[in-house]
This record gives sequence, structure tokens and C-alpha cells, in this order.
Amino acid sequence: DQQVKQNSPSLSVQEGRISILNCDYTNSMFDYFLWYKKYPAEGPTFLISISSIKDKNEDGRFTVFLNKSAKHLSLHIVPSQPGDSAVYFCAASARYGGSQGNLIFGKGTKLSVKP
Amino acid sequence: GAGVSQSPSNKVTEKGKDVELRCDPISGHTALYWYRQRLGQGLEFLIYFQGNSAPDKSGLPSDRFSAERTGESVSTLTIQRTQQEDSAVYLCASTISGILPPQYFGPGTRLTVL
Repeated sequence: DQQVKQNSPSLSVQEGRISILNCDYTNSMFDYFLWYKKYPAEGPTFLISISSIKDKNEDGRFTVFLNKSAKHLSLHIVPSQPGDSAVYFCAASARYGGSQGNLIFGKGTKLSVKP
Repeated sequence: GAGVSQSPSNKVTEKGKDVELRCDPISGHTALYWYRQRLGQGLEFLIYFQGNSAPDKSGLPSDRFSAERTGESVSTLTIQRTQQEDSAVYLCASTISGILPPQYFGPGTRLTVL
């Protein structure tokens, strides 16, 4: 039973356009959400996070939106660049729910940004 | 170095052999996690260490898997009598404190069991 779902295994976007990566979760105890980027043969790299008390967090070209009522979050990348091509993982944590801060990951979305 | 390091980067072994994977967390990070990623899957939690507390082993898939950590430094993940389904990338991550993400990941060890 997947608690964190990324329903799009892949996404292709033109350079300069917006990339929108989506993530849904089922566990209402999750209170912290993160996005990681992963290049082949490397470990995941932390990108941006959001606490459940917020609905938006912005860092440069990256913005994460959280809709708690829909149990949905999204990552927007504007403008997209070819170097953004990677697999993006959504992760969630129930920091105070007894799970010791373990991250529950989605299966990832492979983003390809075409020049 | 400043980041999490893991060794070896690649390991090929025969079914039935034991393997040991190593992780050096970021200095000062008290929490350490092991995950594995099978082909086409997300990251799967295995085990968590926080300081001198008893580790959370709830993610270990079988008793063939075990892990140790010396204080707040190096950790080793041991897989005994490896099976083909153990083939995966094994990732280690550390963070300052267990309930304070983000976790910073090492490059992983790619394990192939023939």
C-alpha cells in the first residue's frame, strides 16, 4: 500500500517552460514534505521542503505547493533548464507520529527538459 | 569530505555469500538511515540509528539483514546469504537529528547478486 504516490513516471518539457511534478499521499499524519532530485549513479539530492503548516514554499526557480485537504503537493520549476533533467522523488515524514522521521518516498518522476 | 560517503560503490557477489556495505555520515549528524532502491522503485526504508538509542529495525526485510553503528560515526549494513532479490542500490543518509529533515544521501552502493 503506497502512502506516497507519483502517478507520472515521466514528464517531458521544453526548455524555458514550466515543469509541474505531482505527488499524492494518503497518511494524514505526514507533516513534512520534501522533494529530492536524483541523477544516475548518484544519491538523491535535497531540493526543497515544506511543512504542513504552510501551503507554499519558494526557492529560486523551485516552488512547492501543498494542498492538505486534497493530500496533494506539487513541485513547479520555472523556467525549466536542460540541467534539471533527472528523476524527482517526493518524500513525506510524520516527524511526531512515531516514525522517527523516516522518509516515505514515491517511485519518482523522470523529468526530461528538451533544449 | 563534507558529504555522506559509501563504499564500495559497486559490489557483485554470488548468491549465498555475505556482503558488508559501509557508510560514513556527515560529521556531527546524529541520525543515520539505510534505504534501498530496487530497479524502477522508490526508496525503501531499512533501518534508522539515532545517537545511542536502540535502532529502529522495522524496515529490515528479513533476518539476513543487520546493521551496526559505532557511536555517531560509521555504519555497516550486512546481508547474509545473499539472494538475487537483494540486488538493489543501497543508500545511506544522515541528518542532524532524526526528526529534523532533510536527510543528506550518499552516492549509494549498487549490489548485484548473481
